[in-house]
Amino acid sequence: SQTIHQWPATLVQPVGSPLSLECTVEGTSNPNLYWYRQAAGRGLQLLFYSVGIGQISSEVPQNLSASRPQDRQFILSSKKLLLSDSGFYLCAWTTGAGNTIYFGEGSWLTVV
Amino acid sequence: QKEVEQDPGPLSVPEGAIVSLNCTYSNSAFQYFMWYRQYSRKGPELLMYTYSSGNKEDGRFTAQVDKSSKYISLFIRDSQPSDSATYLCAMSGAGNTPLVFGKGTRLSVIA
Repeated sequence: SQTIHQWPATLVQPVGSPLSLECTVEGTSNPNLYWYRQAAGRGLQLLFYSVGIGQISSEVPQNLSASRPQDRQFILSSKKLLLSDSGFYLCAWTTGAGNTIYFGEGSWLTVV
Repeated sequence: QKEVEQDPGPLSVPEGAIVSLNCTYSNSAFQYFMWYRQYSRKGPELLMYTYSSGNKEDGRFTAQVDKSSKYISLFIRDSQPSDSATYLCAMSGAGNTPLVFGKGTRLSVIA
């Protein structure tokens, strides 16, 4: 069966510090991978998605970036965090169009 | 007009009530429709999946899609306190396009 792992689960980072959130999927190959952010009262905001290694589409211009160094690995990064980057970050995967999307457990980021 | 509209609630009902959650959308190309349930501080989990128009039932849950009205619904029968969560609708069209989510409706079922 397929599983998705996301870490760290919780982190508190000072403004201006770097960020790295990692996500891996097991039990499938060539998944579509996504990073979402969920802020209070704003719903799920798609940040990045990837349909293959090295292929990243950005939905929202900001100080975040994403990379996909391996087929089932997706990384969300920032060089310098802003207060507005605080939120709940969710990694997700699907096998393709029209198929269900599965979410990880999420990472709570508080920028102080 | 936003692509997907969903009333954020909160919605509070007594245990045993029938709950109706709804979303409207504007993109006629949408053909895959889903409902997710999200408990506090957890990732969303898939609850119901429907392709095109029609009804789908799974236990106490029924999903309805009316493509002519661009309207989807989720009904929960005999609601339980454990149903208290945020419910998000999601939909997509053909091709490799990401799902579009509603903002979610927060539901509380009071014992």
